[in-house]
Amino acid sequence: EDKVVQSPLSLVVHEGDTVTLNCSYEVTNFRSLLWYKQEKKAPTFLFMLTSSGIEKKSGRLSSILDKKELFSILNITATQTGDSAVYLCAVSDNYGQNFVFGPGTRLSVLP
Amino acid sequence: DGGITQSPKYLFRKEGQNVTLSCEQNLNHDAMYWYRQDPGQGLRLIYYSQIVNDFQKGDIAEGYSVSREKKESFPLTVTSAQKNPTAFYLCASTSGLGEAFFGQGTRLTVV
Repeated sequence: EDKVVQSPLSLVVHEGDTVTLNCSYEVTNFRSLLWYKQEKKAPTFLFMLTSSGIEKKSGRLSSILDKKELFSILNITATQTGDSAVYLCAVSDNYGQNFVFGPGTRLSVLP
Repeated sequence: DGGITQSPKYLFRKEGQNVTLSCEQNLNHDAMYWYRQDPGQGLRLIYYSQIVNDFQKGDIAEGYSVSREKKESFPLTVTSAQKNPTAFYLCASTSGLGEAFFGQGTRLTVV
Protein backbone atom coordinates (compact mmCIF):
# COMPACT_ATOMS: atom_id res chain seq x y z
CA GLU A 1 0.00 0.00 0.00
CA ASP A 2 1.30 3.43 -0.92
CA LYS A 3 2.25 5.49 2.09
CA VAL A 4 3.63 8.95 2.88
CA VAL A 5 5.04 9.85 6.29
CA GLN A 6 5.90 13.37 7.36
CA SER A 7 7.87 14.57 10.33
CA PRO A 8 7.62 16.36 12.55
CA LEU A 9 3.85 16.59 12.68
CA SER A 10 4.06 19.91 14.46
CA LEU A 11 6.81 22.50 14.83
CA VAL A 12 7.00 25.85 16.59
CA VAL A 13 9.85 28.23 15.78
CA HIS A 14 10.65 31.92 16.03
CA GLU A 15 10.99 34.32 13.15
CA GLY A 16 14.39 34.08 11.53
CA ASP A 17 14.87 30.40 12.33
CA THR A 18 15.56 27.83 9.62
CA VAL A 19 13.37 24.74 9.49
CA THR A 20 13.60 21.41 7.73
CA LEU A 21 10.50 19.35 7.07
CA ASN A 22 10.78 15.71 6.20
CA CYS A 23 8.79 13.45 3.93
CA SER A 24 9.39 9.75 3.35
CA TYR A 25 7.35 7.58 1.08
CA GLU A 26 6.60 4.13 -0.24
CA VAL A 27 4.85 4.04 -3.57
CA THR A 28 4.68 1.60 -6.42
CA ASN A 29 5.81 3.13 -9.72
CA PHE A 30 6.85 6.48 -8.30
CA ARG A 31 6.38 9.41 -10.62
CA SER A 32 6.75 12.60 -8.63
CA LEU A 33 6.76 14.10 -5.16
CA LEU A 34 4.96 17.34 -4.51
CA TRP A 35 4.99 19.86 -1.68
CA TYR A 36 1.99 22.02 -0.89
CA LYS A 37 1.34 24.79 1.61
CA GLN A 38 -2.10 24.85 3.18
CA GLU A 39 -3.18 27.88 5.13
CA LYS A 40 -6.89 28.22 5.57
CA LYS A 41 -8.42 26.48 2.62
CA ALA A 42 -7.00 24.83 -0.49
CA PRO A 43 -3.38 23.72 -0.65
CA THR A 44 -1.17 25.83 -2.86
CA PHE A 45 1.55 24.25 -4.92
CA LEU A 46 5.18 24.73 -3.93
CA PHE A 47 7.37 22.21 -5.71
CA MET A 48 7.24 19.11 -7.86
CA LEU A 49 10.28 16.84 -7.73
CA THR A 50 10.93 14.00 -10.10
CA SER A 51 14.71 13.61 -10.16
CA SER A 52 17.07 12.81 -7.32
CA GLY A 53 19.62 15.31 -6.12
CA ILE A 54 18.34 18.34 -7.98
CA GLU A 55 17.42 21.12 -5.61
CA LYS A 56 14.42 23.24 -6.43
CA LYS A 57 14.40 26.71 -4.99
CA SER A 58 11.85 29.47 -4.67
CA GLY A 59 12.89 32.42 -2.53
CA ARG A 60 13.50 31.20 1.00
CA LEU A 61 12.08 27.76 0.24
CA SER A 62 14.00 24.88 -1.25
CA SER A 63 13.43 21.17 -1.64
CA ILE A 64 15.34 18.12 -2.73
CA LEU A 65 14.46 14.50 -3.45
CA ASP A 66 16.40 11.33 -2.75
CA LYS A 67 14.84 8.51 -4.78
CA LYS A 68 17.26 5.93 -3.45
CA GLU A 69 16.39 6.57 0.19
CA LEU A 70 12.78 7.49 -0.66
CA PHE A 71 12.57 10.84 1.04
CA SER A 72 12.44 14.53 0.45
CA ILE A 73 13.10 17.59 2.58
CA LEU A 74 11.62 21.03 2.45
CA ASN A 75 13.80 23.81 3.86
CA ILE A 76 12.60 27.23 4.85
CA THR A 77 15.25 29.77 5.79
CA ALA A 78 14.74 33.03 7.68
CA THR A 79 11.19 32.03 8.58
CA GLN A 80 8.45 34.65 8.79
CA THR A 81 5.06 34.56 10.50
CA GLY A 82 3.50 34.26 7.05
CA ASP A 83 5.14 30.85 6.71
CA SER A 84 2.82 29.50 9.39
CA ALA A 85 0.76 26.81 7.68
CA VAL A 86 0.41 23.09 7.21
CA TYR A 87 2.91 21.74 4.72
CA LEU A 88 1.68 18.70 2.83
CA CYS A 89 3.80 16.21 0.97
CA ALA A 90 2.23 14.04 -1.73
CA VAL A 91 3.47 11.41 -4.15
CA SER A 92 1.96 10.39 -7.43
CA ASP A 93 2.37 7.11 -9.23
CA ASN A 94 3.40 6.58 -12.79
CA TYR A 95 -0.10 6.04 -13.96
CA GLY A 96 -1.26 9.33 -12.51
CA GLN A 97 -4.04 7.42 -10.86
CA ASN A 98 -3.48 8.45 -7.35
CA PHE A 99 -2.01 11.16 -5.23
CA VAL A 100 -1.15 9.92 -1.77
CA PHE A 101 -0.83 12.65 0.82
CA GLY A 102 1.04 12.63 4.09
CA PRO A 103 -0.58 13.93 7.28
CA GLY A 104 1.17 17.26 6.98
CA THR A 105 3.52 19.23 9.21
CA ARG A 106 1.91 22.12 11.07
CA LEU A 107 4.47 24.94 11.25
CA SER A 108 3.91 27.85 13.61
CA VAL A 109 6.29 30.79 13.34
CA LEU A 110 6.18 33.10 16.34
CA PRO A 111 7.17 36.76 16.10
CA ASP B 1 -9.00 32.53 -15.68
CA GLY B 2 -8.41 28.79 -15.60
CA GLY B 3 -9.09 26.96 -12.40
CA ILE B 4 -11.26 24.73 -10.31
CA THR B 5 -14.48 25.95 -8.75
CA GLN B 6 -16.11 24.21 -5.85
CA SER B 7 -19.51 25.11 -4.51
CA PRO B 8 -20.89 25.76 -2.05
CA LYS B 9 -18.15 26.89 0.34
CA TYR B 10 -20.23 25.91 3.35
CA LEU B 11 -22.95 23.29 3.47
CA PHE B 12 -25.14 22.08 6.27
CA ARG B 13 -26.81 18.70 6.12
CA LYS B 14 -29.46 17.19 8.28
CA GLU B 15 -29.18 13.61 9.39
CA GLY B 16 -30.43 11.24 6.70
CA GLN B 17 -30.10 13.71 3.83
CA ASN B 18 -28.09 13.32 0.66
CA VAL B 19 -26.14 16.38 -0.44
CA THR B 20 -24.15 17.05 -3.60
CA LEU B 21 -20.92 19.03 -3.75
CA SER B 22 -20.09 20.64 -7.06
CA CYS B 23 -16.66 20.67 -8.72
CA GLU B 24 -16.07 22.30 -12.10
CA GLN B 25 -12.76 22.86 -13.91
CA ASN B 26 -11.91 24.73 -17.09
CA LEU B 27 -8.32 23.52 -17.28
CA ASN B 28 -9.12 20.80 -19.80
CA HIS B 29 -7.75 18.22 -17.37
CA ASP B 30 -8.68 14.58 -17.79
CA ALA B 31 -8.17 13.46 -14.22
CA MET B 32 -10.23 14.71 -11.29
CA TYR B 33 -10.20 13.75 -7.63
CA TRP B 34 -12.19 14.17 -4.45
CA TYR B 35 -10.44 14.28 -1.08
CA ARG B 36 -11.69 14.52 2.44
CA GLN B 37 -9.72 16.30 5.14
CA ASP B 38 -10.43 15.97 8.85
CA PRO B 39 -8.90 18.25 11.48
CA GLY B 40 -5.22 17.56 11.97
CA GLN B 41 -5.15 14.97 9.22
CA GLY B 42 -3.91 14.76 5.66
CA LEU B 43 -6.01 14.35 2.58
CA ARG B 44 -7.74 11.03 2.03
CA LEU B 45 -8.90 10.00 -1.43
CA ILE B 46 -12.62 9.35 -1.85
CA TYR B 47 -13.01 8.87 -5.62
CA TYR B 48 -11.08 9.71 -8.74
CA SER B 49 -11.82 9.79 -12.43
CA GLN B 50 -9.30 9.50 -15.24
CA ILE B 51 -11.72 10.04 -18.07
CA VAL B 52 -15.32 10.92 -18.80
CA ASN B 53 -17.84 8.24 -17.83
CA ASP B 54 -15.29 6.38 -15.73
CA PHE B 55 -14.36 6.66 -12.07
CA GLN B 56 -12.68 4.58 -9.39
CA LYS B 57 -13.06 4.25 -5.64
CA GLY B 58 -10.36 5.67 -3.45
CA ASP B 59 -9.51 4.71 0.10
CA ILE B 60 -12.71 5.93 1.76
CA ALA B 61 -15.46 5.65 -0.88
CA GLU B 62 -18.14 4.15 1.36
CA GLY B 63 -21.11 6.49 1.76
CA TYR B 64 -20.14 8.60 -1.26
CA SER B 65 -21.01 8.53 -4.95
CA VAL B 66 -19.76 10.44 -7.98
CA SER B 67 -20.49 10.90 -11.66
CA ARG B 68 -18.40 12.11 -14.58
CA GLU B 69 -20.74 12.87 -17.43
CA LYS B 70 -18.68 15.81 -18.65
CA LYS B 71 -14.94 16.42 -18.62
CA GLU B 72 -15.41 19.68 -16.76
CA SER B 73 -17.58 18.39 -13.95
CA PHE B 74 -17.10 15.84 -11.15
CA PRO B 75 -19.85 16.19 -8.54
CA LEU B 76 -19.66 14.31 -5.25
CA THR B 77 -22.77 13.12 -3.44
CA VAL B 78 -22.53 12.49 0.27
CA THR B 79 -25.24 9.96 1.00
CA SER B 80 -27.07 9.18 4.20
CA ALA B 81 -24.95 6.04 4.41
CA GLN B 82 -21.90 8.17 5.28
CA LYS B 83 -22.02 8.08 9.06
CA ASN B 84 -19.54 10.84 9.76
CA PRO B 85 -19.71 13.31 6.89
CA THR B 86 -18.64 16.45 8.73
CA ALA B 87 -15.33 17.37 7.09
CA PHE B 88 -13.58 19.63 4.62
CA TYR B 89 -13.87 18.36 1.03
CA LEU B 90 -11.34 19.23 -1.66
CA CYS B 91 -11.64 18.63 -5.37
CA ALA B 92 -8.52 18.48 -7.52
CA SER B 93 -7.56 17.92 -11.13
CA THR B 94 -4.30 17.02 -12.81
CA SER B 95 -2.90 17.68 -16.22
CA GLY B 96 -1.04 14.42 -16.50
CA LEU B 97 2.27 16.18 -15.86
CA GLY B 98 1.99 15.48 -12.17
CA GLU B 99 0.86 18.67 -10.50
CA ALA B 100 -2.56 18.75 -8.86
CA PHE B 101 -4.67 21.89 -8.85
CA PHE B 102 -7.19 22.31 -6.04
CA GLY B 103 -10.51 24.01 -5.62
CA GLN B 104 -11.12 26.17 -2.56
CA GLY B 105 -12.97 23.42 -0.75
CA THR B 106 -16.40 22.82 0.74
CA ARG B 107 -16.89 22.58 4.47
CA LEU B 108 -19.75 20.20 5.20
CA THR B 109 -21.39 20.13 8.62
CA VAL B 110 -24.10 17.78 9.83
CA VAL B 111 -26.69 19.51 11.99
